[in-house]
Amino acid sequence: NAGVTQTPKFQVLKTGQSMTLQCAQDMNHEYMSWYRQDPGMGLRLIHYSVGAGITDQGEVPNGYNVSRSTTEDFPLRLLSAAPSQTSVYFCASTHFGGNYGYTFGSGTRLTVV
Amino acid sequence: GDSVTQMEGPVTLSEEAFLTINCTYTATGYPSLFWYVQYPGEGLQLLLKATKADDKGSNKGFEATYRKETTSFHLEKGSVQVSDSAVYFCALSDRSNTDKLIFGTGTRLQVFP
Repeated sequence: NAGVTQTPKFQVLKTGQSMTLQCAQDMNHEYMSWYRQDPGMGLRLIHYSVGAGITDQGEVPNGYNVSRSTTEDFPLRLLSAAPSQTSVYFCASTHFGGNYGYTFGSGTRLTVV
Repeated sequence: GDSVTQMEGPVTLSEEAFLTINCTYTATGYPSLFWYVQYPGEGLQLLLKATKADDKGSNKGFEATYRKETTSFHLEKGSVQVSDSAVYFCALSDRSNTDKLIFGTGTRLQVFP
């Protein structure tokens, strides 16, 4: 099925550990982004990419790293996990410019203890 | 900067009741407006959109009209079903980057038989 695939679905980390959240899409979307969802705060943009080799920061980039080596993949790296990074993370993608609407992955629920 | 304000939930309704979820926005220009729906344990799905003033977006019995004069995009449905229980997010496109969306905090809808 076409769409956005995120792995893992659940993850528990200890403070200070690093990990990578995976995101892949098979719709040839140019634009990909990572959001975090926290109670009462809606979705906040972490990083986004407008194409392979091009990334930029969103609203809450600190503590996260991204790269875009291919059109399909957009991994999110947590460099040194902190309890404040406990959240649900969503990857989303869309075609460029035209307000097509995003396709979202099913999310990764991350707990940092 | 641009922002979206949604009514706080939860909104609790009986089946077949009329639904309104309020959304207002602040933007320096003419953004496109969206409603997304999130069912329990899932990612967000695009419900409807409107790209210019006075446009009406509609889908699955839901409607919303882009009102420039009141900077609003309220979501309505004439007769809700139990299956409509979900969290609804209003969003606008950032005109400096039309593929970057700014989300409201979400409104939870609970429909009882």
